[in-house]
Amino acid sequence: NAGVTQTPKFQVLKTGQSMTLQCAQDMNHNSMYWYRQDPGMGLRLIYYSASEGTTDKGEVPNGYNVSRLNKREFSLRLESAAPSQTSVYFCAIQGTVAFTEAFFGQGTRLTVV
Amino acid sequence: AQKITQTQPGMFVQEKEAVTLDCTYDTSDPSYGLFWYKQPSSGEMIFLIYQGSYDQQNATEGRYSLNFQKARKSANLVISASQLGDSAMYFCAMREGFFNDYKLSFGAGTTVTVRA
Repeated sequence: NAGVTQTPKFQVLKTGQSMTLQCAQDMNHNSMYWYRQDPGMGLRLIYYSASEGTTDKGEVPNGYNVSRLNKREFSLRLESAAPSQTSVYFCAIQGTVAFTEAFFGQGTRLTVV
Repeated sequence: AQKITQTQPGMFVQEKEAVTLDCTYDTSDPSYGLFWYKQPSSGEMIFLIYQGSYDQQNATEGRYSLNFQKARKSANLVISASQLGDSAMYFCAMREGFFNDYKLSFGAGTTVTVRA
């Protein structure tokens, strides 16, 4: 989607491996979010960053870490991947004006075997 | 506690008919925003409509309208004149918090299948 770039698009990991999902935006929005989407459970918030220099836990933060490197970039790290982390991961951004919608990346399909 | 509840996992609707997707929310913030997104089988998230907590009128965007009942904490999406291309998953979302500290939460989604 315009403005939000997620990499990679697909990834297969072995249990115990680590990896970092990257998210970059060019819309100069303050808020950035990481979600995971599992069948029947919608999008669950993992971590979010309301502004550069701040990060907060969401609903399902265990097993993940994040870094808000600068205003443009927000990365999600899996230190020791587990099969339960098999999911589709979305990065989203949103401006500070209340009525602005969130913009999403294309998603990363991660499989942990 | 669930912030956003969508109680209909799946719905079928006949082409050209209207369909209502239910959404209830829970927040103690006086200022919040409600959103609906569409996710087709290709996986991207498409913004449909927004309703602010202080908006007096229900939001409308083309064939989409939001039935906002603040006292009941509900924000149902109505799709009029359904088309085959409306077949997708639909998510209700809520943004709460304050300037520079917003959080966006989603419901579990409702799958809509439009029949010809």
